[in-house]
Formats: sequence, structure tokens, C-alpha cells
Amino acid sequence: DAKTTQPTSMDCAEGRAANLPCNHSTISGNEYVYWYRQIHSQGPQYIIHGLKNNETNEMASLIITEDRKSSTLILPHATLRDTAVYYCIVNAGGTSYGKLTFGQGTILTVHP
Amino acid sequence: DTGVSQDPRHKITKRGQNVTFRCDPISEHNRLYWYRQTLGQGPEFLTYFQNEAQLEKSRLLSDRFSAERPKGSFSTLEIQRTEQGDSAMYLCASSSRDYTEAFFGQGTRLTVV
Repeated sequence: DAKTTQPTSMDCAEGRAANLPCNHSTISGNEYVYWYRQIHSQGPQYIIHGLKNNETNEMASLIITEDRKSSTLILPHATLRDTAVYYCIVNAGGTSYGKLTFGQGTILTVHP
Repeated sequence: DTGVSQDPRHKITKRGQNVTFRCDPISEHNRLYWYRQTLGQGPEFLTYFQNEAQLEKSRLLSDRFSAERPKGSFSTLEIQRTEQGDSAMYLCASSSRDYTEAFFGQGTRLTVV
């Protein structure tokens, strides 16, 4: 799986949008971009994934650049409960799915 | 369905003892994964089952580690002759071919003293 690079930490004010960047310059054509988050003392939680089109669900939006070398996870209205470690993961899906390669992620702290 | 269940949630053991953890995946999920997470690091893949077959093992899984998934339902992860370096959170996840996400349990925190 391709390697990803994320900032170590970010801060966000409650109610504001949180924009978490991720670089994945070596991504292959068949690899998806997945985002998971891990709230303290819990297992990781799936957020969203995409191949090349932008995606949106009830939790977040995923913006993938046209060359697919980077992406941004957007939490539109961050709350205190969104404080967590956010992992950007590149994975081929299919039979490879589930063997996820986690990096160190971005620690997002949402402030009141 | 209550999600992926892991037991116990916490385990303290003395160095050299054997420990066994259990994971109950979401019903009908044919894939089951084990990960290990040490403090400040992201989870690391250990092994993966599809139904009862163990399809892949990480080099992190030394000879002291063994995992089973009899009948393709629950899974156990056993660590023999535990060492202090085995202290970590052990996470289980499951997924189905029809879904595109892995569901993780809350983990078992192992402390070897």
C-alpha cells in the first residue's frame, strides 16, 4: 500500500470546519483513500473513502485532488466529540481490504 | 447486532505466562483481522482470516503468537511465554465482502509485568 503523510496535530474551534490534509503521492490507480478516526481508548472508526471523485456522507466530506496525490477530510461543523486521531490510509480494496496500514495520524483537538 | 466484541477488555499478566484473547465479529462477516497498537502509534496488522482460513500473517506475529478461527465465527489470539514487549492494545476487526469498511472492537489492553 502507498505511504501517506499527515500533519502530527491540528486544532479547530468548535462549530468551525476542520480540514485535515493527507499526502499520498505514490498512490496507484486502483488504490482508494480511506479515513478512520480513533477516539481515546476506543477502536478505530470508519469515516469515509473515495477513489477519485469527491465523496460526502453524514460524517464528513472527502476531497481528492485531480492527480490523486493528496486529499482533504472535511468535518463541516466540528464538535468536542470530534477530538480524536485521524488516520488517512491508502488501500487497494477488494481482497486486500481490511489489511489496513495505519500511520501515526493527525491528532485533532477541537476547542470550545 | 452489537458490533465487534472483545474479551477481556484488560489483562495483566506476569512475564512468561500464556494469555488468550477472544474476538466475536459481527454476524455474517466473513473476514476477521487482528491488529496490535502500542502507545502513541497507529494499529499494526497482525493476521487475517477469511472464514476459518488464516490467509496472511505479519512478520510481527512471532512463533509465540497463534490465532485461530474455528468454524469461521469467533477468533482467539494466544500469546505464549509473554514478554514485556507484548504489552499493547490488541484490536480485532471484521468486514464483509459486501461492505467497504472494517468494524473494530474496543480492544484488549495487555500489560505484562
